[in-house]
Amino acid sequence: EDQVTQSPEALRLQEGESSSLNCSYTVSGLRGLFWYRQDPGKGPEFLFTLYSAGEEKEKERLKATLTKKESFLHITAPKPEDSATYLCAVQDNNAGNMLTFGGGTRLMVKP
Amino acid sequence: NAGVTQTPKFQVLKTGQSMTLQCAQDMNHEYMSWYRQDPGMGLRLIHYSVGAGITDQGEVPNGYNVSRSTTEDFPLRLLSAAPSQTSVYFCASSLAGGASPLHFGNGTRLTVT
Repeated sequence: EDQVTQSPEALRLQEGESSSLNCSYTVSGLRGLFWYRQDPGKGPEFLFTLYSAGEEKEKERLKATLTKKESFLHITAPKPEDSATYLCAVQDNNAGNMLTFGGGTRLMVKP
Repeated sequence: NAGVTQTPKFQVLKTGQSMTLQCAQDMNHEYMSWYRQDPGMGLRLIHYSVGAGITDQGEVPNGYNVSRSTTEDFPLRLLSAAPSQTSVYFCASSLAGGASPLHFGNGTRLTVT
């Protein structure tokens, strides 16, 4: 059974204080690992797809990396507008389009 | 481009009542799905469809029905609401096949009293 665990559950940062969010996963065959951002009262918004170990993707202050067991979302010099819940999900080669989600990390960036 | 549209945004039901949550997408996506999101539980898959006329169960299907008569619409029916169905419900769609990202609606917050 596919499993995704995200840590920490919550993270408070000062503006400009860089950090990383962790996503550990277990899957029989990884088709893709997805990162989403979710703002309060909204649906998840797609950020990145990573397909294989060693791959990296960047968007503004966010950088996602992937190993065979985990993914990291690095946030460089965050701003208050980066405050949100960040979700990680995996797609198994044998599961069609189905995603298995982690519980998310709630990020709060204080000015 | 509207993307994925869910209605209503909020709903309060009494135990035993039935209702339908509506979901429509205008991206011509073959794959559509329903998730529920509960504190501490993450997003869990209820039902999904890979095309018109084809539906299947996800992780938590009990108490819910779906149908897919068109590519655009994928309604979720609660047959007899229970307090355990209090949750936020998200509809999502994507292209079928490959590692296609899901596109989510903004959710329906349902309270069952």
